[in-house]
Amino acid sequence: DTEVTQTPKHLVMGMTNKKSLKCEQHMGHRAMYWYKQKAKKPPELMFVYSYEKLSINESVPSRFSPECPNSSLLNLHLHALQPEDSALYLCASSQANLGQRTFGSGTRLTVV
Amino acid sequence: AQSVTQLDSHVSVSEGTPVLLRCNYSSSYSPSLFWYVQHPNKGLQLLLKYTSAATLVKGINGFEAEFKKSETSFHLTKPSAHMSDAAEYFCVVMDSSYKLIFGSGTRLLVRP
Repeated sequence: DTEVTQTPKHLVMGMTNKKSLKCEQHMGHRAMYWYKQKAKKPPELMFVYSYEKLSINESVPSRFSPECPNSSLLNLHLHALQPEDSALYLCASSQANLGQRTFGSGTRLTVV
Repeated sequence: AQSVTQLDSHVSVSEGTPVLLRCNYSSSYSPSLFWYVQHPNKGLQLLLKYTSAATLVKGINGFEAEFKKSETSFHLTKPSAHMSDAAEYFCVVMDSSYKLIFGSGTRLLVRP
């Protein structure tokens, strides 16, 4: 299995909703990442987990809350989002911090 | 600090003609460099990577890139464009803390 699987593929949520994005990999990778990508822009790093511990938070607002329940799973909990948070959210994994990233197909999030 | 510049925001070629996507990098040490491709509403797929081995790197789908230290360039080429190559291409350098630094992207249009 050489894939990173993200669910759901599309999500529409209101500003008062709570939702979660999920990411799963079975490649034995020990580093996992969340990126945010706005239209016509490159991805921006949000969080890095290394060996299931949060190692990097790129000053992301607290309405985004990451969680790494085990080495194969990565969640992103969303609460009280704003319309400007609408974007493609990409998960990635790598064998180690210096390894090449394998990206998932992303979750297209729309906040209404 | 590491950085990467993609010299063209858009490139248009005819099907069957060569592709050249230009990338210059800035790094204080021998960098790790990558090219990723992103088709519409999809995640990023690794095309190829340079990690200080051979300077001519062959990737998937007939793409290759040449690392030229004297010119600080890592241009992506393909001898013959196919319609399925139409996508966004990102040149990426890994910085000293193992973060990926993305270029602004080049949109490749392939005309029939």
